[in-house]
Formats: sequence, structure tokens, C-alpha cells
Amino acid sequence: AQSVTQLDSQVPVFEEAPVELRCNYSSSVSVYLFWYVQYPNQGLQLLLKYLSGSTLVKGINGFEAEFNKSQTSFHLRKPSVHISDTAEYFCAVSLTGSNYQLIWGAGTKLIIKP
Amino acid sequence: ETGVTQTPRHLVMGMTNKKSLKCEQHLGHNAMYWYKQSAKKPLELMFVYNFKEQTENNSVPSRFSPECPNSSHLFLHLHTLQPEDSALYLCASSQDQTGVGNTIYFGEGSWLTVV
Repeated sequence: AQSVTQLDSQVPVFEEAPVELRCNYSSSVSVYLFWYVQYPNQGLQLLLKYLSGSTLVKGINGFEAEFNKSQTSFHLRKPSVHISDTAEYFCAVSLTGSNYQLIWGAGTKLIIKP
Repeated sequence: ETGVTQTPRHLVMGMTNKKSLKCEQHLGHNAMYWYKQSAKKPLELMFVYNFKEQTENNSVPSRFSPECPNSSHLFLHLHTLQPEDSALYLCASSQDQTGVGNTIYFGEGSWLTVV
């Protein structure tokens, strides 16, 4: 069965330090990949998505992610985090030919330490 | 202002009550979704409507009943819920259900507590 694994439930990091949030998926078919962010007391919003083309995808707020097909990963990175990045980050996968229904990871809480 | 509006934001109900959650989208989309969000668990897709027709029901108990009178409005009717149904219920919309890589736009959610 297809699944999405976010390996860390929480990631604490100091302000202005780099961060990587990990996402791995399992699928036997081609996928489309997404990262969504949920700020406190808000709904989710799209950070970035990979559909095709360059495996390095740039999103909003200085985030980027790299699709690695051989490792079935789509890790999210930011070179320098700010207190405003405190949020929960969700990785999701859409399978081709599946009505494009999203399969979600359980989320990673990014905690910024001053 | 968010393109997807949910009311109420907070709801406390007893197990014998009947209540409804309301969602309205102002984006001109044709697909609308209900998700359940519980702590430390992946988002659970509950229902999907595409062009006002229900296309997905992911084995949701019948105490949850969706209604989609038009492409802009979506309701979730709640009846004789259980305490384990307490969660954040998110409404979302997208251009349509089958578009490749369509972005899904979420509302801020309705926090439901069943006592």
C-alpha cells in the first residue's frame, strides 16, 4: 500500500540555523509531491509542489525541496529559519491514475528556538 | 481574507445533539472536501464532491452526513457523535478533483469537541 512517512514528529532548531524536514514515500507508480504548512490556528496552505521537470523545487517563504526518485524522498529545506516559520509541515503524495487523491504524512512540527 | 470560510470555528456538542458545520468557498472551484485532523495522525479524507456529486466516501460512519447544495457550499451534518470524533474538521476546495497537481485550498477549520 502507498504511504507517506515523515520521520520526525518535531524538529527544534535555533533561529537563523538551517533546517531539513524529511519525507519518504512508498509507491510503485509515478507520483506528484507536495508540502503544505499549517500555522497555529490556521488551515493548511501550499508551500511547494513537484509535478515534473527539475527535481529541485522552490516554494514560498524561502523553502525548497528536492525530489529523489531512487530514494523515494522529498525533503524540505530552508537555509535560515525565522521565528515566523513556527508551524506544522505536511508532506503529501498524489498517485497518477488514482483520481489524484492525496496521501498525507502525519506532519512535522518545526519549533524555532530563540 | 481566506478563500474558504468555515463556521463555526469552535463547537461543543453532546453525544445526543444534532449540529452542522458549514463551509463556503469564494474561489470558483468545482471540488470540495471534508478532512478530519487528529493530533499526530495524517489527515483523513472523509468526503469529496466534484461538480456537486459525491465522488468519495472513505468509510465514514453514518453519524456524519455531508451535503453539497451547490459548488460553493458544503455542509457536514453531525448526529449522535462519539467522544473520539472530537477533532479539527477542515473544509477544502480545488479547481476540480481530477486535475493534475491541483492545489487544494483549506479553510481554518472547525474545532469539534464531543462531550
